[in-house]
Formats: sequence, C-alpha cells, structure tokens
Amino acid sequence: GDSVTQMEGPVTLSEEAFLTINCTYTATGYPSLFWYVQYPGEGLQLLLKATKADDKGSNKGFEATYRKETTSFHLEKGSVQVSDSAVYFCALSDHSGGGADGLTFGKGTHLIIQP
Amino acid sequence: DGGITQSPKYLFRKEGQNVTLSCEQNLNHDAMYWYRQDPGQGLRLIYYSQIVNDFQKGDIAEGYSVSREKKESFPLTVTSAQKNPTAFYLCASSIISQQPQHFGDGTRLSIL
Repeated sequence: GDSVTQMEGPVTLSEEAFLTINCTYTATGYPSLFWYVQYPGEGLQLLLKATKADDKGSNKGFEATYRKETTSFHLEKGSVQVSDSAVYFCALSDHSGGGADGLTFGKGTHLIIQP
Repeated sequence: DGGITQSPKYLFRKEGQNVTLSCEQNLNHDAMYWYRQDPGQGLRLIYYSQIVNDFQKGDIAEGYSVSREKKESFPLTVTSAQKNPTAFYLCASSIISQQPQHFGDGTRLSIL
C-alpha cells in the first residue's frame, strides 16, 4: 500500500536558519504530493502541492520539488521565523484506484523555531 | 467566507455512550472525509464520501459510523464499540479526487 515517511521531530532551529524536512513516499500509481501545516489546536492548512514529476510547489517562502527518481518531496525554506513553528505533514493522493479515497499522511514533523 | 465547520470543539463521552461529531461545509464540495489524529501517528482515514447517499470505509472504520444525507453535511458517530476513542477528529472536503483537501478545525474527544 501507499506510505509516507517523514523525518522524526521535534526539529529545533534558530530564527533565520535554513530548513529542510525530509519526506519520501511509496505509491503504486502516480501520486500528487502535498505539504500541510498544523498550528496548535487547529486543523490542517494546505501549504503547497505538486501534481507531477519535477513540479515545484511553493508558498510563503517554502518550497518542495517532486522527485520521482528518488520518490521524495522535501520541504525547504531559506530563512525560518518564529511564526513558522508548527507541525508539518507530508501527504500523497494516489490516483491509481480512482475516486476520492483520501490522503495518506506521514506522521508529522514538529518544528520549533527559537528567537 | 466558505469553509468547513466542525462542532463541538471539545466533546466528552461516557462509557457505553454513542456520540456524534458534526461537520458542515459550504464550499459546494462533493467529497468529504473523516480522519483521526493521535499523537505521533499522523492522520488516519476513518470514512469518506464521494457523493450524497454514498460512503466508503477508510483504514480504521471499526467502531465508527457516518451518514451523507446532504451534500454539505457528513456527521461521524463514535459508537460504544470504539474502545479507544480519545483522539482529535478532523473533517475535510474536496471538489473531486486529486484536489487538495480543506480541513475543519477539529473536535477533541475525551473519555469521562
């Protein structure tokens, strides 16, 4: 079955540091890939997405490139801020089965940015 | 503004009791989903519905039930058969498959 693996957290960085959160996936078809962010006590918000190989998703200074050859979708940001502290989820939607059958999520990475 | 509304924000269940979590969307989305979130576990799919009057089991459907009588509503019932119901429950919707899902703010269920 499909699966998503993210780096374990918490990840603690200083403000203005460079961020990378690793994400790799296993899928039977040709998935779309997503990064979601969750702030304390809230639901998930879509951060960025990519629907095919070599696509780059970007939003709010975050970027991730869909790498089919390495089955990866690593999240990066050049200079993090305290307000970026949250839990980040990598997810995929596999179209091979057809229909709206939900996302497969990684376990989440808790990011802590210190001033 | 369009969005997904989950209620209540906090819910407590007594032993042997069924409880129902509400999810309403005004985004005119066809597909709706319920996920369960446990610490360190990520999100797991409970049920999903692609269209009114139709729904499918997800990965962890045992002890849960749903209905989809209206396009905008997808309530989740946590039955007494669910022996470990304490979790954060998230409802989501999307236009069609392959589109990103929009999430509500969640309901936190605890056992008294």
